[in-house]
Amino acid sequence: DIQMTQSPASLSASVGDRVTITCRASQSISTYLNWYRQKPGKAPQLLIYTASSLQGGVPSRFSGTRSGTDFTLTISSLQPEDFATYFCQQSFSMPHSFGGGTKVEIK
Amino acid sequence: EVQLVESGGGVVRPGGSLRLSCAASGFTFDDFGMTWVRQAPGKGLEWVSRINWKGDSTGYADSVKGRFTISRDNAKKSLFLHMNSLRVEDTAFYYCARASVVDEALDIWGQGTVVTVSS
Repeated sequence: DIQMTQSPASLSASVGDRVTITCRASQSISTYLNWYRQKPGKAPQLLIYTASSLQGGVPSRFSGTRSGTDFTLTISSLQPEDFATYFCQQSFSMPHSFGGGTKVEIK
Repeated sequence: EVQLVESGGGVVRPGGSLRLSCAASGFTFDDFGMTWVRQAPGKGLEWVSRINWKGDSTGYADSVKGRFTISRDNAKKSLFLHMNSLRVEDTAFYYCARASVVDEALDIWGQGTVVTVSS
């Protein structure tokens, strides 16, 4: 099974900050990497699919990149609604495992 | 409106069984694979199971293999998760989600249903 290692587990930031979250796959997953945001008490929401494609309706401050088996989610200017938990997920092979999550908190 | 609505959660004793349902609306249900994802209290997301559009191909997490069965009824636009031999560690919020056709990203999620396994 493919393991997804996400870092950091948590971070503190301010509105307007640039934030970067990283996810590393234990083996090649091509570009089958997705990013989700989960607000407290809500279901997750798809932000980025196939490593760098922005899901419809998602603000352009979110972007994703890939370098081999390393993937990065960047929020260019953090907004109040972005204080949430972020998860990566590989959909290359089953089980379609998730990373452990990154909680973004207000500094 | 594209929507998924889960039901069937509740409190069950260890070793018991439960069937979760997920009703789909607003899209052509049998065009998409479907997935169950769970989240234990205060924990991260765990992929549980997936079924293809036709219902003849499935996959399971090791933690539920042999105990859970995913199925679907395309005529009724419904997804199911049959859970047997439930354990305390199965306690979680259970979400159903639609898998996009190209890359299986989970693009539509339900609001979740809670399963509590406790004696």
